[in-house]
Amino acid sequence: DAGVIQSPRHEVTEMGQEVTLRCKPISGHDYLFWYRQTMMRGLELLIYFNNNVPIDDSGMPEDRFSAKMPNASFSTLKIQPSEPRDSAVYFCASSPGTGSNQPQHFGDGTRLSIL
Amino acid sequence: AQTVTQSQPEMSVQEAETVTLSCTYDTSESDYYLFWYKQPPSRQMILVIRQEAYKQQNATENRFSVNFQKAAKSFSLKISDSQLGDAAMYFCALSGSARQLTFGSGTQLTVLP
Repeated sequence: DAGVIQSPRHEVTEMGQEVTLRCKPISGHDYLFWYRQTMMRGLELLIYFNNNVPIDDSGMPEDRFSAKMPNASFSTLKIQPSEPRDSAVYFCASSPGTGSNQPQHFGDGTRLSIL
Repeated sequence: AQTVTQSQPEMSVQEAETVTLSCTYDTSESDYYLFWYKQPPSRQMILVIRQEAYKQQNATENRFSVNFQKAAKSFSLKISDSQLGDAAMYFCALSGSARQLTFGSGTQLTVLP
């Protein structure tokens, strides 16, 4: 089975540019999570969806960040305008809806560098 | 709020020996789940082992086992017969009713040949 697929794997762009990160969850998984990993703050949840509906976006840093899930097989995380402090590894993860002990399956992450 | 604390930023172990990574947590929920994830240099997040809080029996997965002390809110990971491929950052994580994971700061494990 295909795992969680994220693209791009690496992104380098200049400050002020719009950045879009993409995620395809595992088929049949009802939950989708976006995490950010930095040296200073570790791994932190940005937002998560259940059945394509955003449930908790309290971790989204500010209005420059937005996330959408137009259908069960696709989600985007957008940063506009980007800033150097947004540089991090962004992970997408998904898990099944049945059983709250189901582990999250992570994608390989997108390493984002804002110059 | 949930918190997860890993007090050992770095650990090392000799190949074939046993090492234990520590984790403590805090949550107000009675029903929750604990996980250990491994992150090698490739940056993948790989599930190592999981434990349901309502189960008293400690989880085991081959060379990996946990020591779950619910009253003490402690969840340590024991790696037996350590192998070079075990070298990675290990994260302890907690999940409650809200489903999202709260991670510890990680322990970097080095395996010495």
